[in-house]
Amino acid sequence: DAKTTQPTSMDCAEGRAANLPCNHSTISGNEYVYWYRQIHSQGPQYIIHGLKNNETNEMASLIITEDRKSSTLILPHATLRDTAVYYCIVRVANTGFQKLVFGTGTRLLVSP
Amino acid sequence: NAGVMQNPRHLVRRRGQEARLRCSPMKGHSHVYWYRQLPEEGLKFMVYLQKENIIDESGMPKERFSAEFPKEGPSILRIQQVVRGDSAAYFCASSPRLTDTQETQYFGPGTRLLVL
Repeated sequence: DAKTTQPTSMDCAEGRAANLPCNHSTISGNEYVYWYRQIHSQGPQYIIHGLKNNETNEMASLIITEDRKSSTLILPHATLRDTAVYYCIVRVANTGFQKLVFGTGTRLLVSP
Repeated sequence: NAGVMQNPRHLVRRRGQEARLRCSPMKGHSHVYWYRQLPEEGLKFMVYLQKENIIDESGMPKERFSAEFPKEGPSILRIQQVVRGDSAAYFCASSPRLTDTQETQYFGPGTRLLVL
């Protein structure tokens, strides 16, 4: 699986958009970008994933660059409950098993 | 956490005792994964199971750890003769059996094991 690089920590004001970057310069054509987050003392929560097109769901938007070497997770209106560690994970998606490889993630702090 | 259930949520054991952690996947999911998170570290994959089969146990310690996912009932992660280094949060995830190329894992709330 391709390696990802994320900033260690980020701050965001409540109500503003939180933009979390992720670099995955060695990503292969058949690898998806997945985002999970872990709120303190809870299990990881799936947020969104994509291959090459931008994706949006009720939680967030995922913007993937045209060369697929980086992506940005966007929380459009951050709330205090969005404070968590956000993990960007790249994995091959095929019919076989693919374990998730968690890095150190980005610790997002949303402040009032 | 999307319906994956784990129990107990907290487990305290003394060194040398056995720990049994249970995981009930989401309804309709037949794939179960176990991950371990040591204090201040990221999650590390341990084992992947389907009903009655261990598919990948490349992340399991070679001794004292075992896992099963019987035809009926929850998946069990068993740690024999626990040591203090086993203290961690153990997370279970499940995914549905899909015929396409996407497989999203949904996590449970975890079991926090403390070995005294």
